[in-house]
Amino acid sequence: GENVEQHPSTLSVQEGDSAVIKCTYSDSASNYFPWYKQELGKRPQLIIDIRSNVGEKKDQRIAVTLNKTAKHFSLHITETQPEDSAVYFCAASRGTNAGKSTFGDGTTLTVKP
Amino acid sequence: GAGVSQTPSNKVTEKGKYVELRCDPISGHTALYWYRQSLGQGPEFLIYFQGTGAADDSGLPNDRFFAVRPEGSVSTLKIQRTERGDSAVYLCASSSLAGGNEQYFGPGTRLTVT
Repeated sequence: GENVEQHPSTLSVQEGDSAVIKCTYSDSASNYFPWYKQELGKRPQLIIDIRSNVGEKKDQRIAVTLNKTAKHFSLHITETQPEDSAVYFCAASRGTNAGKSTFGDGTTLTVKP
Repeated sequence: GAGVSQTPSNKVTEKGKYVELRCDPISGHTALYWYRQSLGQGPEFLIYFQGTGAADDSGLPNDRFFAVRPEGSVSTLKIQRTERGDSAVYLCASSSLAGGNEQYFGPGTRLTVT
């Protein structure tokens, strides 16, 4: 089955700096890669996703890149703000409506004011 | 519109007891997923429904766990003979055919087995 590894497990940055979180996956059939933000005690919320026919996607301060050959994808947050502090999870799944997502173990991001 | 809802928000039960956890997906979402999240880890897949049928139950850890979705909307996760190791947050998510695989999560049920 799919295996997703996520690094780093914790990340601390100064406000205004950039943050990068990286994930690798094992199943070459995976072609949908979402990123979730989870605040303490809250539900995971989708912040950005990318499909395998695209190499990069941006949404304001957030971007995701995908390298299918190397089977890795990354989340980039620019101009970080204290409210970006949360746990971020990457995930991988096969195709549209193909069921389960396999999640990484999360990265705890702390943005220091 | 209303998002995914789950009840109860918290459940404390004694080892060996039976529990039921309920999920109300977003109206019209045909796909429904159950995940389990332990402290410091990502959600772990349990089971996926497409309509009324379980399309993939490969994540259910053993036969103490069972889930149903009889009318293709509300789902119930049932755990028999609970064990302390079952303690976790149980998350439900739903998605629509039109929305691709974008999954919307509920707030979760925190299960504590004493």
